[in-house]
Amino acid sequence: KAGVTQTPRYLIKTRGQQVTLSCSPISGHRSVSWYQQTPGQGLQFLFEYFSETQRNKGNFPGRFSGRQFSNSRSEMNVSTLELGDSALYLCASSGETGFYFGSGTRLTVV
Amino acid sequence: GIQVEQSPPDLILQEGANSTLRCNFSDSVNNLQWFHQNPWGQLINLFYIPSGTKQNGRLSATTVATERYSLLYISSSQTTDSGVYFCAVDMIYNQGGKLIFGQGTELSVKP
Repeated sequence: KAGVTQTPRYLIKTRGQQVTLSCSPISGHRSVSWYQQTPGQGLQFLFEYFSETQRNKGNFPGRFSGRQFSNSRSEMNVSTLELGDSALYLCASSGETGFYFGSGTRLTVV
Repeated sequence: GIQVEQSPPDLILQEGANSTLRCNFSDSVNNLQWFHQNPWGQLINLFYIPSGTKQNGRLSATTVATERYSLLYISSSQTTDSGVYFCAVDMIYNQGGKLIFGQGTELSVKP
C-alpha cells in the first residue's frame, strides 16, 4: 500500500507570492490534516479535511487555506507569503490505526 | 486547550544504553502516537498506543490513559536512533483528524 505523498519536496518563493502544496493520502483514508513545523513553534496544526469538508482549523491567518477533492487528495495554499512562512509543511492521512505522515514540503520564503 | 509535555527535552546517550522518554497530557485522549523524525524531516510512526503496552524490537511503549501519561523505552540504543521523538495526541472530544504535538525529545546517541 502506497504511503502519503507530498509534492513538491522543496520550494523557494519570494515574499508576496503564493504557493500551493499537494498531499495524496493513503488509499482508503478520508481524513487529511496539515501541520507547520518551525524551530520556534514546533509542530502546529493547520487544518483537517474529511470527505471534502473542513472539520478542524488551527490558529493561523486566513492566508492559509486548503481544500480536499473527491479522491481525498488535498491541497493547501498560502497567499501573500511572508518570511515567517518559511517552514516544513507536513500532511498526514488518518485511519483506524492512527496518523501517517508524508515526507513534507520544505518552503523557503526569500 | 490540551497540553502535551515531553521530557527530557534533550538526551545524550552512549551506544548500548537504555532510555525512557515521557509524555504527559492534560486531558482525555482518543489516540496517542509516538513518532521519530528523521534527519530529512519525515515523521516515522513508532506506536499507535492510546492505552496499554506495545513492543517493536528494541522499542516499547506504555500508555496509562487514566493517569494521562505515556512512556517510550529504547533499549540497547544505536546511533541510528538519534533524532527527535514526538508524542502526539488526538483529543477525545474532537471530531477527529487533529493531532496536538509535544515539543519533542532530541536524542543523540554517541558511538
